[in-house]
Amino acid sequence: HLQLQESGPGLVKPSETLSLTCTVSGGSISSTSFYWGWIRQPPGKGLEWIGSIYYSGTTYYNPSLESRVTMSVDTSKNQFSLKLSSVTAADTAVYYCERHETWNSGSYIDYWGQGTLITVSS
Amino acid sequence: SSELTQDPAVSVALGQTVTITCQGDSLRSYYASWYQQKPGRAPVLVIFGKDNRPSGIPDRFSGSTSGNTASLTITGARAEDEGDYYCNSRDSSGNHLGVFGGGTKLTVL
Repeated sequence: HLQLQESGPGLVKPSETLSLTCTVSGGSISSTSFYWGWIRQPPGKGLEWIGSIYYSGTTYYNPSLESRVTMSVDTSKNQFSLKLSSVTAADTAVYYCERHETWNSGSYIDYWGQGTLITVSS
Repeated sequence: SSELTQDPAVSVALGQTVTITCQGDSLRSYYASWYQQKPGRAPVLVIFGKDNRPSGIPDRFSGSTSGNTASLTITGARAEDEGDYYCNSRDSSGNHLGVFGGGTKLTVL
């Protein structure tokens, strides 16, 4: 049974860099069938795609966040990571890591982490 | 950029049928996936592709697409179906999870 677990500091100061890691257990991050990524949800609001990464390191970012986002993967640790720079209060949200499958006609997320609340405040 | 539009709130009487819709240009090219979210919990996939349910999702959940509109139908709604429902699809640039709808809050009366 696949499990994903987010980890990182819950509080980040404005203008600093948010760093999160997702540890995958019960399956290999090097699977050729799946992609891995991050979704966030501000308190009381909807879901927003941040970015996706393949085990090879190929990345895809939301154009609205692309200038501030960096994702990486460590297959030896079965982990992938997110860095979001120059954060503001608008980046306060629950951050979820996820696994998804994509094909020519669509995509879907079949596994989610439990989510971690990141608050941006001085 | 792509957008997906959902009604903010929908209600249904216990045992009745309800349809939640999602509109957007990307749906002319890509299937939607649908997620149910309950307070304080991560979303759960309920429908993907043409009309596929993951293991463990009851068959009262079904999906369809027509033109630029994707629909999630719950036939015989139960109290436990109450929650927020989000659609998602690849966007016009082909990004995997490019765009989410704003969500529909389903109330079961």
